[in-house]
Amino acid sequence: DAKTTQPPSMDCAEGRAANLPCNHSTISGNEYVYWYRQIHSQGPQYIIHGLKNNETNEMASLIITEDRKSSTLILPHATLRDTAVYYCIVRVAGRNSGNTPLVFGKGTRLSVIA
Amino acid sequence: DGGITQSPKYLFRKEGQNVTLSCEQNLNHDAMYWYRQDPGQGLRLIYYSQIVNDFQKGDIAEGYSVSREKKESFPLTVTSAQKNPTAFYLCASNKGPGELFFGEGSRLTVL
Repeated sequence: DAKTTQPPSMDCAEGRAANLPCNHSTISGNEYVYWYRQIHSQGPQYIIHGLKNNETNEMASLIITEDRKSSTLILPHATLRDTAVYYCIVRVAGRNSGNTPLVFGKGTRLSVIA
Repeated sequence: DGGITQSPKYLFRKEGQNVTLSCEQNLNHDAMYWYRQDPGQGLRLIYYSQIVNDFQKGDIAEGYSVSREKKESFPLTVTSAQKNPTAFYLCASNKGPGELFFGEGSRLTVL
């Protein structure tokens, strides 16, 4: 699976949008971009994933560049409860991918400030 | 409700002792995984199992052992051969290419 690069930490004011970048310049055509987050001392939680189109769900939006070499996770109105470590992962998915383990890097530590 | 249950949440052990961490899921997931997390670090894969009675080593399998006798259960044994076992251990499962579901974790401290 392709490697990702994320900034180690970011701050965001409460109520503002949090934009978390991820670089995956070696991503392959059949690899999806996944985002998870981990609140202190808990198990990681799935947020969203996408292949090439932008995706949105109740938690966040995922913007993938046209060349697919980078993406941005957007939390539209960050709250204090969004303070967590956010992991960007690329992984082959689909019927023939099997259950390939996810490889977690160090992620971005997002601090939402009141 | 369906989910993954890890136990115990906190565990203390003396050096030289083996200890087994439990992971049970009622999600009917085929695959299960064990990760280790050290302070300020990401998750590292210890072992994973895609089907019953089969499992594969991850990146840091030395000093650990697992079994997968039932679909619902994937216990991890931390043996005395693991030189630095103090860590946060996370169990996860998924079905096919779907999202991973994680347990709440087990924090092991070696005294």
